[in-house]
Amino acid sequence: EIVVTQSPATLSVSPGERATLSCRASQSLGSYLAWYQQKPGQGPRLLIYAATTRATGIPARFSGSGSGTEFTLTISSLQSEDSAVYYCQQHNGWPLTFGGGTKVEIK
Amino acid sequence: QVLLQESGPGLAKPSETLSLTCAVSAASIGSGYSWGWIRQPPGNGLEWIGSLYHDGRAFYNPSLKSRVTISVDASKNQCSLRLSSVTAADTGVYYCVITGPHNWFDPWGQGALVTVSS
Repeated sequence: EIVVTQSPATLSVSPGERATLSCRASQSLGSYLAWYQQKPGQGPRLLIYAATTRATGIPARFSGSGSGTEFTLTISSLQSEDSAVYYCQQHNGWPLTFGGGTKVEIK
Repeated sequence: QVLLQESGPGLAKPSETLSLTCAVSAASIGSGYSWGWIRQPPGNGLEWIGSLYHDGRAFYNPSLKSRVTISVDASKNQCSLRLSSVTAADTGVYYCVITGPHNWFDPWGQGALVTVSS
């Protein structure tokens, strides 16, 4: 099973500042990594797939980078509505697995 | 836009079989989509349960494989999850998802809370 580890557990960022979230895999994923945003009481929403491709309707301030075992989700200018938990998911092999999440708070 | 809505009993007793359904709107369940279920224990992260692909292949999480069945009913345009021999560890919110071409998930339903308790 591929283990996916996210850091930090919590990130506190001021509005307008950059937020950088990390995801590390226990083995190479190529580019098969996705990012999701989950707000309280809601199902997760796909932000990024294949490491760098934004899903339909996702604002350009969200970007993904990385390959192999190291990946990053960047929110270039944090908005108040970006307060949420963010999960990464490897979609390279079964079983499909998620990271433990990073909670982004607005400072 | 495809919409997914989970439904089922909110409470199950230990050792029983949990059954959930996912109603699909704005898409035909037989139109080449692949389906999946993911769960989230209270206050915790996400666990993939399994996926049923449009070609009929099914893949399940090895941790649950012996207890899980995912199926589709084209006549009702819905997907179903059955999880047998449940315990308190199966308590959580269960999400229905569309599984993308390379196994990402989009969209997700709102989720159905299931509590396993006697």
